[in-house]
Amino acid sequence: DVKVTQSSRYLVKRTGEKVFLECVQDMDHENMFWYRQDPGLGLRLIYFSYDVKMKEKGDIPEGYSVSREKKERFSLILESASTNQTSMYLCASSSGQRETQYFGPGTRLLVL
Amino acid sequence: GESVGLHLPTLSVQEGDNSIINCAYSNSASDYFIWYKQESGKGPQFIIDIRSNMDKRQGQRVTVLLNKTVKHLSLQIAATQPGDSAVYFCAENILYNFNKFYFGSGTKLNVKP
Repeated sequence: DVKVTQSSRYLVKRTGEKVFLECVQDMDHENMFWYRQDPGLGLRLIYFSYDVKMKEKGDIPEGYSVSREKKERFSLILESASTNQTSMYLCASSSGQRETQYFGPGTRLLVL
Repeated sequence: GESVGLHLPTLSVQEGDNSIINCAYSNSASDYFIWYKQESGKGPQFIIDIRSNMDKRQGQRVTVLLNKTVKHLSLQIAATQPGDSAVYFCAENILYNFNKFYFGSGTKLNVKP
């Protein structure tokens, strides 16, 4: 069964802190994605990776970076958290281009 | 970005009735569409997909209809059950942008017992 896990369900951080969100998939998928989900806006793509050590910017990469050192793990980094980064963060993976994306349960981040 | 929208933010139906959730897309180059279901506190879950060479696709209790002329997508759920209560949203993919999907904001489906 397909499984995408995220390291935390809820996080509370202070402005200026460095934040790491971890995502792991056990399906040997090539592609991994980070989205944020805000009310009324739908999912917006932050970054994606199509291979180990490869990454591409999505629609809203500002203030974020990513790391993919291993195929199964994709990390989202907030270098200096700000209150406007309070959101639900969703990780997804897919086996190839234009294939179905499987999502993790999400991490709800609150930046104070 | 591309515009993927929904006509109704909230839909209430009686248990046992059929539900229809709509989605409009703006880019005529979009040729692959997915419907997702998101239950409270969970990540989106794939329901059904359709490619632009089809007008209709059926799954278990769900049917997706695609009208390319008016750039409209709908999800029909037959015999709606309480477990169907969730937010539903569509996503579109454009031929020249393989890895990017554009998501609508969603419709909340409430199933009344």
